Amino acid sequence: AQTVTQSQPEMSVQEAETVTLSCTYDTSESDYYLFWYKQPPSRQMILVIRQEAYKQQNATENRFSVNFQKAAKSFSLKISDSQLGDAAMYFCAYRSAMGGSEKLVFGKGTKLTVNP
Amino acid sequence: EPEVTQTPSHQVTQMGQEVILRCVPISNHLYFYWYRQILGQKVEFLVSFYNNEISEKSEIFDDQFSVERPDGSNFTLKIRSTKLEDSAMYFCASSRQGTLGYEQYFGPGTRLTVT
Repeated sequence: AQTVTQSQPEMSVQEAETVTLSCTYDTSESDYYLFWYKQPPSRQMILVIRQEAYKQQNATENRFSVNFQKAAKSFSLKISDSQLGDAAMYFCAYRSAMGGSEKLVFGKGTKLTVNP
Repeated sequence: EPEVTQTPSHQVTQMGQEVILRCVPISNHLYFYWYRQILGQKVEFLVSFYNNEISEKSEIFDDQFSVERPDGSNFTLKIRSTKLEDSAMYFCASSRQGTLGYEQYFGPGTRLTVT
């Protein structure tokens, strides 16, 4: 079974600075997807960024980028120029691309605080 | 922008009672999911639903749980006889397709408290 680990329960960053959230995962599969979801307080989870495992190039979405290290099974999220609105819980998630499974496997989350 | 909605936002029930959690997925989505998060623990997959059938379920989703799409808009999760350990945040999600890594859109959750 796949597992996702987020080793940082909480992180903080100063506004306009850069922060990196860590995520590692364990799988025996070669083809899969990795996601970062953001959950602001009392709001729904929204997708921040997605990475296909077969792509070597790291995904980027504006101020958000990932460092995908397939051999190390690591998938960190970098937030540049942090804004107050980035404060949220961030969840790393894994989804198999094999066997028709649609379920997301989540980490426990990292609570990000942005200080003005 | 279309959103997944869930009602109620908070439900308190007594042990042994039946509860129904309601979700309205995004209108053109075909795949529906329930997840739950016990306080302080990971978000866990419960079940996926497509074409009026369960397509996948976890070991958590035992006979006490059932899902239904009673009409063209609602998607419900029923817990027949609630236990204390069912207290959790329940998230509904929907997706346009089930494959190719299509994004699952999540609702805001229903907090279920079993006393």
